[in-house]
Amino acid sequence: SQQGEEDPQALSIQEGENATMNCSYKTSINNLQWYRQNSGRGLVHLILIRSNEREKHSGRLRVTLDTSKKSSSLLITASRAADTASYFCATDDVLGTYKYIFGTGTRLKVLA
Amino acid sequence: DAGVTQSPTHLIKTRGQQVTLRCSPISGHKSVSWYQQVLGQGPQFIFQYYEKEERGRGNFPDRFSARQFPNYSSELNVNALLLGDSALYLCASSLGVVSTDTQYFGPGTRLTVL
Repeated sequence: SQQGEEDPQALSIQEGENATMNCSYKTSINNLQWYRQNSGRGLVHLILIRSNEREKHSGRLRVTLDTSKKSSSLLITASRAADTASYFCATDDVLGTYKYIFGTGTRLKVLA
Repeated sequence: DAGVTQSPTHLIKTRGQQVTLRCSPISGHKSVSWYQQVLGQGPQFIFQYYEKEERGRGNFPDRFSARQFPNYSSELNVNALLLGDSALYLCASSLGVVSTDTQYFGPGTRLTVL
């Protein structure tokens, strides 16, 4: 079963705009990760945020985590056509085992 | 360095058949995990192996099995294939089994069951 749900399911923006996608999850976690997937192929790890962190940056990516609301957001600033992909959040379980549970994904399309 | 490799890239089988998928992790990585991704969904965890031992199993029937070899490569076997087994099967490797270890995914094997 899916742990998390991304919102929106699909997003279409113009190049240069910012893209924000949200993830909600159900159980307590140790950390949350965001992945990108191009055209139904392998996933690429983007960023990890631990449960005791509230915000993290990596290049044009900004991730926030609100454990009280069991939600996270991924912001991509100054989007490029190459950012077109599906984005997934993934959570571990509170024991920190490696059983990552992925959300349903947000399909982002960046128009040139 | 080579990334995670998977073979074959595509596979077509008929119901009731058996299939074996293969994965080679990044050099130095001792953990391999398998995921099933049905079209339009996120990946679902099937197995994790570390040092040739099963460390985790997802909610999949016994028709699914896996093993890890001394060189840390892995095979996923699915018996008595059903139409619903059609999916992209992803392999991910990591250094260890700590959840903060980054998983590196292979390109996947697309299985079609007719």
